[in-house]
Amino acid sequence: QPQLLQSGPEVRKPGASVKISCKASGYSLTSYYIHWIRQAPGQGLEWMGLMRPGGAAPTYAREFQGRVAMTTDTSTSTVYLELTSLRLEDTATYFCARDVGQIAAAGSDYWGQGSLVTVSS
Amino acid sequence: DIQLTQSPSPLSASIGDTVAITCRASRSVQYWLAWYQQKPGKAPKLLIHKASILQSDVPSRFSGSGSETDFTLTITSLQPDDFGTYYCQQLNSNPYTFGQGTKLEIK
Repeated sequence: QPQLLQSGPEVRKPGASVKISCKASGYSLTSYYIHWIRQAPGQGLEWMGLMRPGGAAPTYAREFQGRVAMTTDTSTSTVYLELTSLRLEDTATYFCARDVGQIAAAGSDYWGQGSLVTVSS
Repeated sequence: DIQLTQSPSPLSASIGDTVAITCRASRSVQYWLAWYQQKPGKAPKLLIHKASILQSDVPSRFSGSGSETDFTLTITSLQPDDFGTYYCQQLNSNPYTFGQGTKLEIK
């Protein structure tokens, strides 16, 4: 059974950076797409970007380009999301999620438990 | 960016009812549309992908239909466990946007 285990809550000041981890188990990490999605308190879901199977370059939502990086450590089956120049409005729960597809992204069937990032001065 | 507009929002229904949630895209997403259910404090759960393919662990009372710009999630014989917020997501073009959500309340 695939599982995604995310790192714990983080608190940062505006302008700082945060790096969240997502450790995959029960399947081959490099065979499926991985999405990063966030949800501000009481709000809807916001797609941030996509990591492609086989180590191809990730695709980022335009809104986050320039301050987001998604990386993979295949030796530990862990993917990372780093967000820089944090703003108050980046306060959210961040989810990693595995896509059901292996050839094209079609929807996220396995999700991490979420990592709460709080940006506060 | 492709915008997804869900209706109705919110939605109140009784046990045993049939409900339909629609998702309209600002331009064609072909069949690259997924539906999720989310309960408070939990990650979303994938119900449907590619507009009409039911996930293996999802009850058959859930179904999806539509293509291009107009999609529908139908839940027949509503059960108490079906409360929550439902989201559609398009995966046709970057960014893979979500609808604003439809909160389903059980009367």
